[in-house]
Parts: sequence; C-alpha cells; structure tokens
Amino acid sequence: EDQVTQSPEALRLQEGESSSLNCSYTVSGLRGLFWYRQDPGKGPEFLFTLYSAGEEKEKERLKATLTKKESFLHITAPKPEDSATYLCAVQAGGTYKYIFGTGTRLKVLA
Amino acid sequence: DTAVSQTPKYLVTQMGNDKSIKCEQNLGHDTMYWYKQDSKKFLKIMFSYNNKELIINETVPNRFSPKSPDKAHLNLHINSLELGDSAVYFCASSQDRAGGAFFGQGTRLTVV
Repeated sequence: EDQVTQSPEALRLQEGESSSLNCSYTVSGLRGLFWYRQDPGKGPEFLFTLYSAGEEKEKERLKATLTKKESFLHITAPKPEDSATYLCAVQAGGTYKYIFGTGTRLKVLA
Repeated sequence: DTAVSQTPKYLVTQMGNDKSIKCEQNLGHDTMYWYKQDSKKFLKIMFSYNNKELIINETVPNRFSPKSPDKAHLNLHINSLELGDSAVYFCASSQDRAGGAFFGQGTRLTVV
C-alpha cells in the first residue's frame, strides 16, 4: 500500500539552530515527491518537486534531498518566520494519485 | 491577483442541506483538484480533473459531486450534508497531472 510517514511530528528549534525533517515513503512507481509549507488558516504553499534519487533542490534556507526510500528537508539557520507545518506528498506513477504525510509542525523560537 | 480562489471561505449549514463550493484558477493550468483536510490536519485527495476530464475519483460518498464547466473552474456540490462532512476543503491546480499544486485558501465547512 502506498504510504508516506513524516517525522518528527513536531519540532522546536532556536533561531539559527539547523535541523532536518524526514519523509519516508513507499509507493508503486514514484512519479514525484513534493514538499509544501502550510501556515495556520491557509492552503499549502508549494516548495519543491523531486523526481529521482540523488536530486536536490534549494530555496533560501531550505534544501530538499531525495533517496529511493526517503526525502529530507534541511533547514539551515532557521528564522521565526520559518515556523509552519511542512507537508510531504508523493505521486504514484500509474494512478497519478497524491498521498500526503501528516506533516511536521515546526516552531522556531527567537 | 489571486491564483486559485474558492468561495465561500466559511460555510455553516444544517444537516441534510445541499451546498456548493466554487473554485477558479487564473494560472492557465490543465489540472484541478479537491482535497479534504480533517481535524487532524490530514490532507486527502478527493477528485482530480485534467482538461475537464475526471482522472482521480477517490473513495468518496456519492453525495459529493464535482463539476468542471471549463479548465479554469472546478466546483464541488455536496448533497444531504452530514456532521462528518465538517472539514476544510481545498481546491488546487497544477500545470499538468504530474506537477506540484497551487492551493486555494480553503473553505471551512461546519455542519451543525
């Protein structure tokens, strides 16, 4: 069964304290892996798409990497404005179906 | 200029009523989606249309019926609303069926 698991569920960091969020997945034929950021009361905001193992994407303090079984979202020197829920999703090859993880709630303290 | 807009933002209604949520995107995308986010913030896909053709139809009660009059619009009609339908419903679009999606701001549906 296609599945996405994110860890940790919640993470508190001091400003400037770098860390990584994990997204483990099992899917029949990965078409793409997506990272989103969701602020309270808003819709998810698209961050990155990764298509194949070894691929990396960067945006400001965020860097996403992909292996055959998991993806990491590395946050370097985070700021309070990086506080949000980060969602990972995979798209299955045959069905084009998206499966989301339950997210990591990140809180960055000033 | 809002890329994906859905109306209304809030909807409070009684059990048994029928309601609709409208969605429009001005990004020129080919694919549109409806997602449901439950109280635990879990996002689950309900439907997807590509060029007005239904391509994903998850296990959703048939009280839920999507309708895509054109590529830029995807509406969601819900019949005989139940308490368990209370959730936030998100519309989204992507350039094609394999891309990252852009989401609307959500419609918080409360059934009383």
